[in-house]
Amino acid sequence: DQQVKQNSPSLSVQEGRISILNCDYTNSMFDYFLWYKKYPAEGPTFLISISSIKDKNEDGRFTVFLNKSAKHLSLHIVPSQPGDSAVYFCAARANAGNMLTFGGGTRLMVKP
Amino acid sequence: DGGITQSPKYLFRKEGQNVTLSCEQNLNHDAMYWYRQDPGQGLRLIYYSQIVNDFQKGDIAEGYSVSREKKESFPLTVTSAQKNPTAFYLCASSMYSSWQGIIFGPGTRLTVL
Repeated sequence: DQQVKQNSPSLSVQEGRISILNCDYTNSMFDYFLWYKKYPAEGPTFLISISSIKDKNEDGRFTVFLNKSAKHLSLHIVPSQPGDSAVYFCAARANAGNMLTFGGGTRLMVKP
Repeated sequence: DGGITQSPKYLFRKEGQNVTLSCEQNLNHDAMYWYRQDPGQGLRLIYYSQIVNDFQKGDIAEGYSVSREKKESFPLTVTSAQKNPTAFYLCASSMYSSWQGIIFGPGTRLTVL
């Protein structure tokens, strides 16, 4: 039973346009959400996070939106750059614990 | 520089052999984790350890074993009982008291021939 789902395995976007990556979750006890970026043959790196008490968090070109009623979050990248091409993982933490549950990832390809 | 070291980057083993993947961190983190990545399946938790000499099974612990004798080290042994061991293995760590997410190592690609 996947508690965190990324339903789009891949996304292709033109350079300069907006990339929107989506993530859905089922566990109401999740209180903190994170996005990680991963290049091939490397470990994931932290990108941006959001607490469940907020509905938006912004960091430069990256913005994460959280809709708790819909149990949905999204990552917006504006403008998209070729260097953003990577796999993006959504992750969630429950009850102020130490563990993360990851989605299956979305491969983003930004075309020049 | 603080970080997580995993060695080797690429590892080849014959079927039926046990193999141990190393993971060392100098971040003074309390908790350490092992994840496995397979194409299209995201990151799945194998084992985790919150303190020295204690560890718990994750979602896919069968065929794996770990030890946590030192705070800095969390080696993972892939045993011959693991039915499909070829994968990309990621070690990670985090603070327990001031959790702000987990930090990953560079990963080890294990190929069983």
